[in-house]
Amino acid sequence: GENVEQHPSTLSVQEGDSAVIKCTYSDSASNYFPWYKQELGKRPQLIIDIRSNVGEKKDQRIAVTLNKTAKHFSLHITETQPEDSAVYFCAASLNSGAGSYQLTFGKGTKLSVIP
Amino acid sequence: GAGVSQSPRYKVAKRGQDVALRCDPISGHVSLFWYQQALGQGPEFLTYFQNEAQLDKSGLPSDRFFAERPEGSVSTLKIQRTQQEDSAVYLCASSLVTGLEQYFGPGTRLTVT
Repeated sequence: GENVEQHPSTLSVQEGDSAVIKCTYSDSASNYFPWYKQELGKRPQLIIDIRSNVGEKKDQRIAVTLNKTAKHFSLHITETQPEDSAVYFCAASLNSGAGSYQLTFGKGTKLSVIP
Repeated sequence: GAGVSQSPRYKVAKRGQDVALRCDPISGHVSLFWYQQALGQGPEFLTYFQNEAQLDKSGLPSDRFFAERPEGSVSTLKIQRTQQEDSAVYLCASSLVTGLEQYFGPGTRLTVT
């Protein structure tokens, strides 16, 4: 089955700096890669996603890049703000008629933005 | 519109008791997923429904776990004879288009004493 590795496990940045979180996946057939933000005690919140036919996607201060050959994808947050502090999870899934579309998650990155 | 809701939000059960956790997906969402999230970990897949059909239950950890979605809307996850290792947050997610853009509920935190 799919295995997703995520690093770093913790990341501290100064407010206004950029943050980068990286993930690798094992199943070359995976074709959907969402990112979730989870604040303490809250539900995972979908912040951005990318499909395998796209190399990069951007939404305001958040961007995701995908390298299918290397089987890795990254989350980039620019101009970080204290409210960006949370745990971020990457995930991968196979979306096809043969799959169950389950998400396989990384172990998470705790991002702390220091004012 | 209303998001995914789950009840109860917190459940304390004594070891050996049965529990039932409810999920109300976003109206019209075809796909429904259950995940288990241990403290400090990412969610782990339990089972998947498309409408009322349970198409994948490969993540259920034992035959004590059972899920249903009889009318293709509300779903219930039942755990029989709870054990301490069942303590976790149980998350439900739904999606309009199968698998893509899964939206999560707030979860039920189960503590087995």
